[in-house]
Amino acid sequence: EDKVVQSPLSLVVHEGDTVTLNCSYEVTNFRSLLWYKQEKKAPTFLFMLTSSGIEKKSGRLSSILDKKELSSILNITATQTGDSAIYLCAVMDSNYQLIWGAGTKLIIKP
Amino acid sequence: EAGVAQSPRYKIIEKRQSVAFWCNPISGHATLYWYQQILGQGPKLLIQFQNNGVVDDSQLPKDRFSAERLKGVDSTLKIQPAKLEDSAVYLCASSLTVGETQYFGPGTRLLVL
Repeated sequence: EDKVVQSPLSLVVHEGDTVTLNCSYEVTNFRSLLWYKQEKKAPTFLFMLTSSGIEKKSGRLSSILDKKELSSILNITATQTGDSAIYLCAVMDSNYQLIWGAGTKLIIKP
Repeated sequence: EAGVAQSPRYKIIEKRQSVAFWCNPISGHATLYWYQQILGQGPKLLIQFQNNGVVDDSQLPKDRFSAERLKGVDSTLKIQPAKLEDSAVYLCASSLTVGETQYFGPGTRLLVL
């Protein structure tokens, strides 16, 4: 059965710290990997990583896909309280279906 | 550009009652998704529409859940009768077409007592 596992489940850091969130997957027919940020209720799209685009960066956030290790990391540098959220990882298979991880809850303390 | 709209934002009902949720996707988006997200878990796809046709409803509990997208735009999701385990956030998302980035609405938090 296809699955996506995120770690850690939760993380508490201080403002200004750098954090690394992990996502590993076992998906039979991998197409792409997506990261979403979920504040309150609605997930908002961050990045999509594919075989042809294994590294993405936007401001203080960056993500890398390691197809050999079947994993991805999401880095956030110089964290701010507004980064507090649940970060969701999802893998899209060849049928365009998303398999979701349970998320990492990130809390940034001032 | 307006985002995905959902209503209501919150709903509290008693078990065995019925409830309906409404979703209006981003204009021009052909694909619409309904997800159920239980606290501490990732979203679970309930049903996916392409225009007004169902693409995937394999995880929809069809004995109590139903959904429609009659004119290929708005969609409603209904639960009848509700059970305690249906307490969750119900998320609607849309994308230009299958496989494109999904954009989510604000969700409806349902509590079944």
